[in-house]
Amino acid sequence: KQEVTQIPAALSVPEGENLVLNCSFTDSAIYNLQWFRQDPGKGLTSLLLIQSSQREQTSGRLNASLDKSSGRSTLYIAASQPGDSATYLCAAQGGSEKLVFGKGTKLTVNP
Amino acid sequence: KAGVTQTPRYLIKTRGQQVTLSCSPISGHRSVSWYQQTPGQGLQFLFEYFSETQRNKGNFPGRFSGRQFSNSRSEMNVSTLELGDSALYLCASSSGRQGMETQYFGPGTRLLVL
Repeated sequence: KQEVTQIPAALSVPEGENLVLNCSFTDSAIYNLQWFRQDPGKGLTSLLLIQSSQREQTSGRLNASLDKSSGRSTLYIAASQPGDSATYLCAAQGGSEKLVFGKGTKLTVNP
Repeated sequence: KAGVTQTPRYLIKTRGQQVTLSCSPISGHRSVSWYQQTPGQGLQFLFEYFSETQRNKGNFPGRFSGRQFSNSRSEMNVSTLELGDSALYLCASSSGRQGMETQYFGPGTRLLVL
């Protein structure tokens, strides 16, 4: 059974700092690893999807990496801004449309 | 393209009642998945429908059921509501090519059971 863990559960940083969010998963037989953002009381916004054959994906100030052998993914946010404050969720997708989510990292970027 | 829409956005029910939630996927998407989000358990997969057939199912009791119509719109039903069913219910749509692309989530329906 796939289990996804995210550390830390919460993170507070000053504006402009570069930061890394961590995600680990127990079953390496995944099709992809996805990162989402969730604002309070809202749905999920897809940030990046890394296929199992890929090592990383980039979008603007975001870069996500995937190491299947070690069961780890990281989300790197460069030059953080207050608007980046949200909960970041990673999810592993196996042989179905089912996503197994971590509990998320709540990020606060202070002006 | 319009995004995933969910109705209603908020709902208050009492124990023992039943509730039906609706999800309209992005045009052209044939797969709709449902998730329950609670503070304690996080996001948990309920079920997935593809072309009107349930393709995958999570570990929830039979009180939770769903269906999908020919236009890909989906409904989720919860019967005999319990206090623990209070949650944010999210649906997500995709093309259905398993594992090949991201899922797009709706804003959710927040259900409160009193």
